[in-house]
Amino acid sequence: QLQLQESGPGLVKPSETLSLTCTVSGGSINSSDYYWGWIRQPPGKGLEWIGSLYYSGSTYNNPSLKSRVTISVDTSKNQFYLSLSSVTAADTAVYFCARMRSSSMIVVVIGGDFDYWGQGTLVTVSS
Amino acid sequence: QSVLTQPPSASGTPGQRVTISCSGSSSNIESNYVHWYQQLPGTAPKLLIYRNNLRPSGVPDRFSGSKSGTSVSLAISGLRSEDEADYYCAAWDDSLSGVYVFGTGTKVTVL
Repeated sequence: QLQLQESGPGLVKPSETLSLTCTVSGGSINSSDYYWGWIRQPPGKGLEWIGSLYYSGSTYNNPSLKSRVTISVDTSKNQFYLSLSSVTAADTAVYFCARMRSSSMIVVVIGGDFDYWGQGTLVTVSS
Repeated sequence: QSVLTQPPSASGTPGQRVTISCSGSSSNIESNYVHWYQQLPGTAPKLLIYRNNLRPSGVPDRFSGSKSGTSVSLAISGLRSEDEADYYCAAWDDSLSGVYVFGTGTKVTVL
């Protein structure tokens, strides 16, 4: 059974960089069949896609977060990472990592469903 | 601000049928698959419906999805107390360089 687990600091100061790790177990991140993604949810609010990456390192980010987001992968550790710079209180949220399936059954194309999710980790931005 | 619009709430009594709508546009719902997620209080979202109307293994057939043009619907028949949760639609949006968008979310209450 595939499992994903987020880890990282629960408290980050304003203007600093938020860094999270997603550890994948029960399956390989080095698969050409899937993408991997980060999604966040501010307290009491809805879900927001942050970005996704392919095992090769190709990334796709939400334009609303502009150039603050970096998503990377270490296939040798079966982990992928989120870095969000210049954080403010508006970045306080539960951050989830998840596996994304292809939106096409013929070729691997970004934009399918997220079928496995981590439990989420709350990150608070505060001084 | 989400580009997929859902009603903020829906409710029903046990056994009733509840329908949740999700309205989008030609760049997301009309041209791409739509997926639905169920989020129970304090937990991670769970995939409920994928590719418009398919159920993952383990999801009861009480849940069904449909799509027409730029809108989709999620129907819950035979409503049960454990269905009380937040429900989100989602789709890839082809505008700009592409973005995965979630709906605004609907809180389902079992009366």
